[in-house]
Formats: sequence, C-alpha cells, structure tokens
Amino acid sequence: ETGVTQSPTHLIKTRGQQVTLRCSSQSGHNTVSWYQQALGQGPQFIFQYYREEENGRGNFPPRFSGLQFPNYSSELNVNALELDDSALYLCASSLGGLAGESYEQYFGPGTRLTVT
Amino acid sequence: AQSVTQPDIHITVSEGASLELRCNYSYGATPYLFWYVQSPGQGLQLLLKYFSGDTLVQGIKGFEAEFKRSQSSFNLRKPSVHWSDAAEYFCAVGTLHDKIIFGKGTRLHILP
Repeated sequence: ETGVTQSPTHLIKTRGQQVTLRCSSQSGHNTVSWYQQALGQGPQFIFQYYREEENGRGNFPPRFSGLQFPNYSSELNVNALELDDSALYLCASSLGGLAGESYEQYFGPGTRLTVT
Repeated sequence: AQSVTQPDIHITVSEGASLELRCNYSYGATPYLFWYVQSPGQGLQLLLKYFSGDTLVQGIKGFEAEFKRSQSSFNLRKPSVHWSDAAEYFCAVGTLHDKIIFGKGTRLHILP
C-alpha cells in the first residue's frame, strides 16, 4: 500500500505566474483535500474533491482551483500568484462517504511554494 | 463558527517529564477530534482521533488524549517525553464534508 505522494517537493515562481501542484492519493481512497500552511500557522482548508467533484471549499479566491482524475489523483492550480501564496501546500486523501461523516485523512509531505 | 484554539504557542519540558498540550474547540455538533504531529519540513502524522465512545483515546508513540464535552477540550498527554517528541503539534476538528479545521499549533521543545 503506497502512501500519499506530492510533486514537486519545492517550487519557486514569480508573482503573476501560474502553478500546478500534484497529489497521488493513497490506494483505495476516493477523496482528496488540499490545505495551505503558511509559515508558523496551522493548515487551512482550501477545498476537497470526492469522486471527481468539488465537495466543499474554504475561504480561498477562485484563482485557486482543482481537479480530481478517475484514478483519484488530484491537481491544485493557482493563477496570478501573489507573494502571500508562499506556503506549504498539503494534500490529504481519505475514504469519503456520506456527507456529514468524517474519515481519517492521510497527509502527503507537501509542496513548498515560494513566490518572489 | 467552528474553531480550534491551542493557547500555548511554545512549550518546553525536560526529557522524561510529563506533557500536556491544551486544545479547545468550538463546534455545534458532535465533533470528530484529532491530534497531528509535524516534524520540521514534514507532512502531518496522525497521533490519535476521537469519533465517539470512550472519551480517553490512546494513540501512537505513547500519546493519549481526553475528550471533555463540558469543557470543549481535547488535551493531549504523554507521561514521559523523549527528545524525539520535539515537533509541532496540531489539534483539529473534523466537520461536514471531511473538512478539517486546525489550530495554530504548539511547538514542543525538549530539554536534555
């Protein structure tokens, strides 16, 4: 059983550029959640995908978007990068079910994004 | 609104001493509660979780936590810390659609 993997590990972008981060979920999991962790802060929920559909979104602007593929891997896209987007981006996979049930999430190691 | 408060930003304990990290939550329904640990440059590892049942839950690495509904607390404890326990600890509450709300974390320092 493979764990959650993320790529790339580190990334440096310039303000105004676009970035795509990738996440492979744990085998058997159908749900991926993305979190942003700024330096010295706890992770903040960006959005979640369940069976290829967005299934909840946090307080992030529309320039943060995502996709989930039939194999349940996922991408996080951020357009028009701003300096404040510099953070560790974490994805977590879980076996999602009915709305209202919370399942254990398994986190990847994260992608460190630096915007200059 | 749902929230998690970890009142201690930093805690320092001596190796071998006992540890308690505090966590208070605000959530309207029965919460799902978690403690995660994060070592520098690493992702999050789940230490333990509370979904229902026994309010004292055991986790990995010798950690335990007690859910107290009347105090809206879920404090993490360990009877004897090891130098390898130095890390950042996050309390979190699970909400609708599996969204997890994290506290800001407590950095644990261990004195030799």
